[in-house]
Amino acid sequence: EIVLTQSPGTLSLSPGERATLSCRASQSVSSSYLAWYQQKPGQAPRLLIYGASSRATGIPDRFSGSGSGTDFTLTISRLEPEDFAVYYCQQYGSSPPKWTFGQGTKVEIK
Amino acid sequence: EVQLVESGGGLVQPGGSLRLSCAASGFTVSSNYMSWVRQAPGKGLEWVSVIYSGGSTYYADSVKGRFTISRDNSKNTLYLQMNSLRAEDTAVYYCARDLGVGDGYNRPYYYYGMDVWGQGTTVTVSS
Repeated sequence: EIVLTQSPGTLSLSPGERATLSCRASQSVSSSYLAWYQQKPGQAPRLLIYGASSRATGIPDRFSGSGSGTDFTLTISRLEPEDFAVYYCQQYGSSPPKWTFGQGTKVEIK
Repeated sequence: EVQLVESGGGLVQPGGSLRLSCAASGFTVSSNYMSWVRQAPGKGLEWVSVIYSGGSTYYADSVKGRFTISRDNSKNTLYLQMNSLRAEDTAVYYCARDLGVGDGYNRPYYYYGMDVWGQGTTVTVSS
């Protein structure tokens, strides 16, 4: 079973700073099935990135995804006030079909 | 507008049952892969179940044998029947469209993530 480990658990940054979030898989996963989500308190998750590096519809270009194999990264180039939230990576396994989420990284205002 | 609206949550005793509904608008449930995802209080996201457009269903180990995912094509609605509920099933339950391109019977060839989510419905299992 693939486990996704996100780091750090909490990232304390100021608006305008760059955020780098890591998602490490316990074994190699296909980039095609790696996604990132943003969740704000009391809200449903929002899709940011699919296929490890493709932005979902309407997502600002300050959000970018990269990586392959076991190491994936979500980067927010310049934090806006609305970007402070929890971020989850997700992978879609095939045998058997199963979705796995990382435990989340909270990006908080410093 | 593409939208999902869940309902059916509530307070239920351990061992009880509940059926969640997820009404879709703006797209056809039966033509898509559809998932249920839950979030326990203060915790992260946990995938629960999926139904493929071809009708295949899959479950997380934690709910296998207790939960059943289904859909009513005439109502364009997704369901989650939850039986033998436990305290650890307490969570907000979200339905989501799993956007992908495939034959509907296997993992999508191209996967675009869970792109539409409902607002969530709260299930509390307690005596």
